[in-house]
Amino acid sequence: GAVVSQHPSRVICKSGTSVKIECRSLDFQATTMFWYRQFPKQSLMLMATSNEGSKATYEQGVEKDKFLINHASLTLSTLTVTSAHPEDSSFYICSARVVQGNTEAFFGQGTRLTVV
Amino acid sequence: QKEVEQNSGPLSVPEGAIASLNCTYSDRVSQSFFWYRQYSGKSPELIMSIYSNGDKEDGRFTAQLNKASQYVSLLIRDSQPSDSATYLCAVPYSGAGSYQLTFGKGTKLSVIP
Repeated sequence: GAVVSQHPSRVICKSGTSVKIECRSLDFQATTMFWYRQFPKQSLMLMATSNEGSKATYEQGVEKDKFLINHASLTLSTLTVTSAHPEDSSFYICSARVVQGNTEAFFGQGTRLTVV
Repeated sequence: QKEVEQNSGPLSVPEGAIASLNCTYSDRVSQSFFWYRQYSGKSPELIMSIYSNGDKEDGRFTAQLNKASQYVSLLIRDSQPSDSATYLCAVPYSGAGSYQLTFGKGTKLSVIP
């Protein structure tokens, strides 16, 4: 399958600081990437859909000013958690589709964010 | 609202047995269906995709699709302890101009040695 690389895998930050998470498609071009959040023992929740060269589309209840998404190239999307608080501690996962349409998505390794 | 429903489990099976995981979905026009495996603390890994009614086999895994009943299942033969994980059913839905995967809540499988 296609390879999606996410970095960092784990980060601890102080409350009030910002954290940037990178998601790269290594062997294909991804016009669309997705960002998910997963709290312990819960399912994946879609946060936003990131389209290359345009603004991200956020799901209801997700603050776009707090979770900044940039998809500047066909192989890189970034999620910045601004002014992080302990309740933002979660497992953040990106995914990308190989081609447009009704196809499977491949996931990055995930980023475990802990805000202290 | 697009929904994907799974039994949350946990589902416990003895080593060597067949594990059966079930999923129903709400949108009749869905054409693609995916099963992901997620180990604790890890991101999901695609293990099966199915697009047509009937069975699709890949090694010890068999996906079964019945579009009329809006039902998709995953069978794991000769279950191994390493199969212990949460299995997520996923269905793409069109949204914001892109196909987004909607996930079920997952079924936690435990294979007992």
